[in-house]
Amino acid sequence: EVQLVESGGGLVQPGGSLRLSCAASGFRFSSFWMGWVRQAPGKGLEWVSNIKEDGSERYFVDSVRGRCAISRDNAKNSLDMQMNSLRAEDTAVYYCVRVRKWRLYDRYLDLWGRGTLVTVPT
Amino acid sequence: QSVLTQPPSVSGAPGQRVTISCTGNTSDIGAIYDVHWYQQLPGTAPKLLIYGDINRPSGVPDRFSGSRSGTSASLAISGLQTEDEADYYCQSYDTSLSPRVLFGGGTRLTVL
Repeated sequence: EVQLVESGGGLVQPGGSLRLSCAASGFRFSSFWMGWVRQAPGKGLEWVSNIKEDGSERYFVDSVRGRCAISRDNAKNSLDMQMNSLRAEDTAVYYCVRVRKWRLYDRYLDLWGRGTLVTVPT
Repeated sequence: QSVLTQPPSVSGAPGQRVTISCTGNTSDIGAIYDVHWYQQLPGTAPKLLIYGDINRPSGVPDRFSGSRSGTSASLAISGLQTEDEADYYCQSYDTSLSPRVLFGGGTRLTVL
């Protein structure tokens, strides 16, 4: 079955760290860009980060750049995101996503995990 | 505040047709980037609904259709069903600075 399964969420104090993981199965993981999208409680979707097939390119939303790192292990079909200096505004469900290339420069997200909740109290 | 603008809510009766708009600017939708749409049913993860402005992934009913003109795009849902009640998000892409995925603020569809 083609799927993404996230883990690693939880309650963390402001300033703390957390490592999210995503296990991919059912497709050739190493052939796809991957990423993370988050959704704060009752709010809309916010893209967080993307990583290229071989890990050579990484991009982040401005609000997490410098505090988060994205990595992948193609041998283990896994995607990770290390989150540091966490703030209350980082509270959200974090979805692992598969990124599809469209035309020359475009991207869309064709596979989503069920998400993992990160809670940072005020 | 989202870069792509969607109406917060729309509604329609079963069997009717509704449209959801998504407005961007010349650096995203109006540039070389298409619009993609996602459906998020209550309590679940988003699901790809339309990609490349008009294309439906396998399994998506043809009641769902997309279109784009200039810096605006639309998602149309015909023959509304109660199970269509969900949040709908448009998405584009922008590489004018650092590559980034852009989402609209989302539209809540209520089936009356």
